[in-house]
Amino acid sequence: DIVMTQSPLSLPVTPGEPASISCRSSQSLLYSDGYTYLHWYLHRSGQSPQLLIYLASNRASGVPDRFSGSWSGTDFTLKISRVDAEDVGVYYCMQTLQTPVTFGQGTKVEIK
Amino acid sequence: EVQVVESGGGLVQPGGSLRLSCAASGFTFSSYWMNWVRQAPGKGLEWVANINTDGSQKDHVDSVKGRFTISRDNAKRSVYLQMNSLRGEDTAVYYCARIDNGPVDIWGPGTMVTVSS
Repeated sequence: DIVMTQSPLSLPVTPGEPASISCRSSQSLLYSDGYTYLHWYLHRSGQSPQLLIYLASNRASGVPDRFSGSWSGTDFTLKISRVDAEDVGVYYCMQTLQTPVTFGQGTKVEIK
Repeated sequence: EVQVVESGGGLVQPGGSLRLSCAASGFTFSSYWMNWVRQAPGKGLEWVANINTDGSQKDHVDSVKGRFTISRDNAKRSVYLQMNSLRGEDTAVYYCARIDNGPVDIWGPGTMVTVSS
């Protein structure tokens, strides 16, 4: 199974300041089609998870451009350029390269 | 509107069975792989199962293999999760979710399953 390791697990943030979450996969998520099967989600309390970034660096429809995804090898990063109060919740990385589909442990983002 | 909505959750005794349903609307259901994902109280997200477009390929996480079965009915635009021999650790919110060329992009509101005597 592919193990996804996120850090930090808790992230206090200040509105207007940048924030960054890391995710490392235990093996490459690059498929033969040239795409990297790593995605980022925000799970707000009481809601369904929301897709933010797909295929490592593509913003999902309707997602503010303050969210961005990047990667190098098996290290992935979600960046928020300027945190907004509505960004609080738990962020997950997820790989869909192979089954079992696996998630990171989650990073809880809260306002300081 | 593109959406999926789960139903069928509830309270069940250990060892019991439950069948979850997920109704899809607003998209060509038969063209998409579908998944079930769960979240136990205080825990993170866990993938449970997926199924391909015509139901000929299925996979389940090891912890539910032999107990849970995913299926679909394209004519009814629905996907199901038959859960047998339920255990306390199966207590969770169960989400139905669509896969679109890689990511899971559409999630339902979830249905709560509680396994307790």
